Amino acid sequence: GESVGLHLPTLSVQEGDNSIINCAYSNSASDYFIWYKQESGKGPQFIIDIRSNMDKRQGQRVTVLLNKTVKHLSLQIAATQPGDSAVYFCAEFYGGSQGNLIFGKGTKLSVKP
Amino acid sequence: DGGITQSPKYLFRKEGQNVTLSCEQNLNHDAMYWYRQDPGQGLRLIYYSQIVNDFQKGDIAEGYSVSREKKESFPLTVTSAQKNPTAFYLCASSIHQGQPQHFGDGTRLSIL
Repeated sequence: GESVGLHLPTLSVQEGDNSIINCAYSNSASDYFIWYKQESGKGPQFIIDIRSNMDKRQGQRVTVLLNKTVKHLSLQIAATQPGDSAVYFCAEFYGGSQGNLIFGKGTKLSVKP
Repeated sequence: DGGITQSPKYLFRKEGQNVTLSCEQNLNHDAMYWYRQDPGQGLRLIYYSQIVNDFQKGDIAEGYSVSREKKESFPLTVTSAQKNPTAFYLCASSIHQGQPQHFGDGTRLSIL
């Protein structure tokens, strides 16, 4: 089964509102996490990453929060725009130089104008 | 422009036929990966290569084969042994294993 999953498969928000996409992971040894955005018919695009020694990391309009106690990851998008409509995946990594990314199923974000 | 190029964008396979998907990168990355994506699903790892002339099976390698003769290239062959090949195939690369992966725009494979 999936070791990385998402609480909500779809999320619909109004343009200008903030979006929060959640992700649960099951492997407490995971030490690196990445959020990807995938637009229809394209490959995933790197958004932001965070290592397990951090709780929060901010990018341009995006913030990732990591709660290791409950093994939860979230992606916050400020002032959501129509161009943010896509499927968002979280991925966890463990295993050091021999490890690989494990992807969740994704959340589809729809932005209403 | 540096990046990952996958070709073709669409590919059709006849029953009993092998097909090869191309993946080329000019990012000078050591590691390359192939994933399969089914509708409404996440990505599943087929094969990966950490360095030229070396590759390992991922979670769903059966019915697939790869080669890594050049650093820039990591072609994937979908063999006739793969009974359910219809999917979106994504190639990725990273500087080294354990670093962020950068993806191509995929090849959509369908059965005729």
